Amino acid sequence: GAVVSQHPSRVICKSGTSVKIECRSLDFQATTMFWYRQFPKQSLMLMATSNEGSKATYEQGVEKDKFLINHASLTLSTLTVTSAHPEDSSFYICSAMARTSGNEQFFGPGTRLTVL
Amino acid sequence: QQPVQSPQAVILREGEDAVINCSSSKALYSVHWYRQKHGEAPVFLMILLKGGEQKGHEKISASFNEKKQQSSLYLTASQLSYSGTYFCGTPRGSQGNLIFGKGTKLSVKP
Repeated sequence: GAVVSQHPSRVICKSGTSVKIECRSLDFQATTMFWYRQFPKQSLMLMATSNEGSKATYEQGVEKDKFLINHASLTLSTLTVTSAHPEDSSFYICSAMARTSGNEQFFGPGTRLTVL
Repeated sequence: QQPVQSPQAVILREGEDAVINCSSSKALYSVHWYRQKHGEAPVFLMILLKGGEQKGHEKISASFNEKKQQSSLYLTASQLSYSGTYFCGTPRGSQGNLIFGKGTKLSVKP
């Protein structure tokens, strides 16, 4: 149980285009999902908290208009990187929080974004 | 406040033991441990919810000392598959979001 999928796993795009990343909890419902960004050999940096049916909560320094998050259902959250630039190239990982006493988070496999 | 992990890196031979520490300057109510292999997403190992709690998974166990505001992850008789970067995460806020330490890179050699 507790499987989270992420699509696509890799994407290469041209500068100025938009890229959508999907995060799905496959066998449980997740009212809360999280989006992280990770640079090589560094820790996970929380970008935003996504709640089903409401606006996402963004971390300080993360541009809301650039990283659009939509949590349309209890099993799906999407992150859209708008007008992507090379500095947006990174490993993006989502996680879904299980409704348990400990609020365990289960991570998707990640999406490697490369902006040319 | 980001939790502090130590050591930053450790190299082991198969069968050796290791301890990874995670400490916080703020009060801890829970600690989450994850392992991440290169190019992959972190995998949940265990969560410790209250002071003094200890948990184990195969030959990986952890303790949580609420008073000292720290948790330790114990890897005994390490296997090659234990190689990876270990992160501890501590809650920040009421939504369940976690702040992760910088990670400890564990390399197990044959």
